[in-house]
Amino acid sequence: RKEVEQDPGPFNVPEGATVAFNCTYSNSASQSFFWYRQDCRKEPKLLMSVYSSGNEDGRFTAQLNRASQYISLLIRDSKLSDSATYLCVVNGRRGRRALTFGSGTRLQVQP
Amino acid sequence: GAVVSQHPSWVICKSGTSVKIECRSLDFQATTMFWYRQFPKQSLMLMATSNEGSKATYEQGVEKDKFLINHASLTLSTLTVTSAHPEDSSFYICSARGRDLGGETQYFGPGTRLLVL
Repeated sequence: RKEVEQDPGPFNVPEGATVAFNCTYSNSASQSFFWYRQDCRKEPKLLMSVYSSGNEDGRFTAQLNRASQYISLLIRDSKLSDSATYLCVVNGRRGRRALTFGSGTRLQVQP
Repeated sequence: GAVVSQHPSWVICKSGTSVKIECRSLDFQATTMFWYRQFPKQSLMLMATSNEGSKATYEQGVEKDKFLINHASLTLSTLTVTSAHPEDSSFYICSARGRDLGGETQYFGPGTRLLVL
């Protein structure tokens, strides 16, 4: 079983749509959770951290369910510029400093 | 946010040559740097973790004699791919975590595309 699992997609949605991505992780001892965004042929960029209480940043909402070891990302009012691959990231088994990346979920927002 | 640079951004080399990739933290001191590799349509895979002034810790399956990592200062880490082969062609990305940045955030360099012919 992969440490971090994501649906690879692609998710093809029209502009203005709401889209949700899910992610599960296997290490119950994980303490830190993030969503990163990666554009084609570019490095990952931090989108937002994920907190137990859930957090929102503009059109983006992240949720964490520790009991189910499940993380979600909701994007409202999708923009063309949201098209990218979204990576679910948790701190890995080798301690707090190492991050484990999911393989990513590709989003394509269409006009 | 903090800035991390990588050089070169891309390199093409012949099989058997060695390639050095530099990773620099430009506006903070990076106590820990991470090297990742990403093959097409796959996730980033951690290769090794390096702490300034000490030997790197390699992930299982990564050959330390082939991928030499040096973290000689708080702002510079290098990855040398020795005797490169076509299967080493990949996107190599470094990230850095700073002493004073707080939290678990890692800042990524722009990556280096390596093509071994």
